[in-house]
Amino acid sequence: QSMLTQPPSVSGAPGQRVTISCTGSGSNIGAGYDVHWYQQLPGTAPKLLIYGNKNRPSGVPDRFSASKSGTSASLAITGLQTEDEAVYYCQAHDSSLGGSVFGGGTQLTVL
Amino acid sequence: QVQLVESGGGLVRPGGSLRLSCAASDFSFSDFYMSWIRQVPGEGLEWVSYINSLGSYTKYTASVKGRFIVSRDNAKNSLYLQMNSLRVEDTAVYYCARDLGAAAGTFDLWGRGTLVTVSS
Repeated sequence: QSMLTQPPSVSGAPGQRVTISCTGSGSNIGAGYDVHWYQQLPGTAPKLLIYGNKNRPSGVPDRFSASKSGTSASLAITGLQTEDEAVYYCQAHDSSLGGSVFGGGTQLTVL
Repeated sequence: QVQLVESGGGLVRPGGSLRLSCAASDFSFSDFYMSWIRQVPGEGLEWVSYINSLGSYTKYTASVKGRFIVSRDNAKNSLYLQMNSLRVEDTAVYYCARDLGAAAGTFDLWGRGTLVTVSS
């Protein structure tokens, strides 16, 4: 059972903007721990998409952005492209677990 | 090429053991915390364990504590996961991942994973 809650699926047409929410609790996001986002394309390993709440690793397009507030975080993708179809995961450290927790993942469908 | 390559997965009976390995290339392996993360096919990600850069401190998720042991050999640039008393619910793809954040969990480099199947 995930300790971070994400919607199971979101969808949008090419060129549109979508957001994916990630809701945690006082032992993870609400405790001030950074939120990170990963993109998992079909049949591949996850890839770090956003780190430290809002930072993009080199090579990640600026169409991807993220924010954090209170016990929640969100990922926004603008100018949707077909290659953005993937599962997106949020992740943070959890003090009660002593390790990382992931959201359940959100399947993005580009219509 | 900077990469992680897992090996050692396979089919094992419930109650059996398996040792996974993760070989690191082209980065200073001994500078980083490392984690094992697993994924049941078609499902989400679950953090399993981490080990600090020196190999002197480890942490596990509750469901594997007492059954799995994470270790590393910095001279061989290798990470290991000894899996004992395996259960059907341990069936998953196991990824090793580099942690930029010293246990804070910023996994910037992942291997391709190795599939562990626990079945009778």
